[in-house]
Amino acid sequence: DVKVTQSSRYLVKRTGEKVFLECVQDMDHENMFWYRQDPGLGLRLIYFSYDVKMKEKGDIPEGYSVSREKKERFSLILESASTNQTSMYLCASRRTGELFFGEGSRLTVL
Amino acid sequence: GENVEQHPSTLSVQEGDSAVIKCTYSDSASNYFPWYKQELGKRPQLIIDIRSNVGEKKDQRIAVTLNKTAKHFSLHITETQPEDSAVYFCAASEDSNYQLIWGAGTKLIIKP
Repeated sequence: DVKVTQSSRYLVKRTGEKVFLECVQDMDHENMFWYRQDPGLGLRLIYFSYDVKMKEKGDIPEGYSVSREKKERFSLILESASTNQTSMYLCASRRTGELFFGEGSRLTVL
Repeated sequence: GENVEQHPSTLSVQEGDSAVIKCTYSDSASNYFPWYKQELGKRPQLIIDIRSNVGEKKDQRIAVTLNKTAKHFSLHITETQPEDSAVYFCAASEDSNYQLIWGAGTKLIIKP
């Protein structure tokens, strides 16, 4: 079974804090993605990566950055968390076709 | 820009009845249309997909239809069961390896 693991299911952070969300996949997939999920807005793409060291902006990259130093790991970074970044964050990986998602990280910024 | 509209946002059906969720896309170059199901508290998972060279695809109680001329596609679930309760997302892209444009999701409620 493909496994995409997100490091934290629930996080509570304060405004201005730096936040790291980690994602690891065990299927040697080239493509990895970070989505944000909010009710009524569906899945919005923040950043994606087609290979190690590569990153591309998605639809809503403002306030976020990413890092992909190893093929299996894709990290999402909030340099200075704000309350409007309170959301569910979903990581996904893909070789071709089907996206495999992690369980999600619910971030609350106070 | 490209977008995918999904309706309804919430659908409540009696157990055993059929459910239909509809999506309309704007990019005429779209050729790949997957559907993902997300049960409460769980990750989204692909349940069925269709490519533009096919008008309909079935997998047991689930079917997807595509009308390229009208640029819309639909998910049909027959003989609904409690385990069908979930949020369903449609998406579209030019190719299965391209970025997906997602619909906003439909919450399907199966009433006992």
